[in-house]
Amino acid sequence: NAGVTQTPKFQVLKTGQSMTLQCAQDMNHNSMYWYRQDPGMGLRLIYYSASEGTTDKGEVPNGYNVSRLNKREFSLRLESAAPSQTSVYFCASIWVAGDQPQHFGDGTRLSIL
Amino acid sequence: AQSVSQHNHHVILSEAASLELGCNYSYGGTVNLFWYVQYPGQHLQLLLKYFSGDPLVKGIKGFEAEFIKSKFSFNLRKPSVQWSDTAEYFCAVKDTDKLIFGTGTRLQVFP
Repeated sequence: NAGVTQTPKFQVLKTGQSMTLQCAQDMNHNSMYWYRQDPGMGLRLIYYSASEGTTDKGEVPNGYNVSRLNKREFSLRLESAAPSQTSVYFCASIWVAGDQPQHFGDGTRLSIL
Repeated sequence: AQSVSQHNHHVILSEAASLELGCNYSYGGTVNLFWYVQYPGQHLQLLLKYFSGDPLVKGIKGFEAEFIKSKFSFNLRKPSVQWSDTAEYFCAVKDTDKLIFGTGTRLQVFP
């Protein structure tokens, strides 16, 4: 099924461990986004990439890094995981930012102990 | 920067009741507005969007929303809800090249 693919779907980490969340889209979209979703707080933008080769901070970037590897792939890295980063992470993509609805992946449920 | 307020955090309805979920954005000018739905355990899906033109927007599954510029509002409505509408609903507004989401409204519909 074409669209936005996120891996892994679930992950449990210990505090201080690192990991990379992967996101790939096959719709030739220019812009890609990483959000975290927490109860009662909606979706908060972590980082986004308006086009290949560019990345920008969103609302809650601290503790995260991103890489726009190519047009298809946009990864999110936690260098030293903290319990406050326990969340559901969604990747999204769009062809022309703002003029079309974003397409979302299925999410990664991340727990940090 | 734009912000979005959804004042209804949790709504409980019986089937066939009418629904209205509030959404307000922070400032005017040209706005692009969206409503997304997230069914339990799933990702967000677009319900409807407003870019310009008719302020009454029809979406999927019988939902509609009305853009009222003077009130900075984009409320979501459905005349008769079904049990399958149980989900979380998010309003969003475009801010330059990204979307700003509200905190969401959890809707529970009981048979």
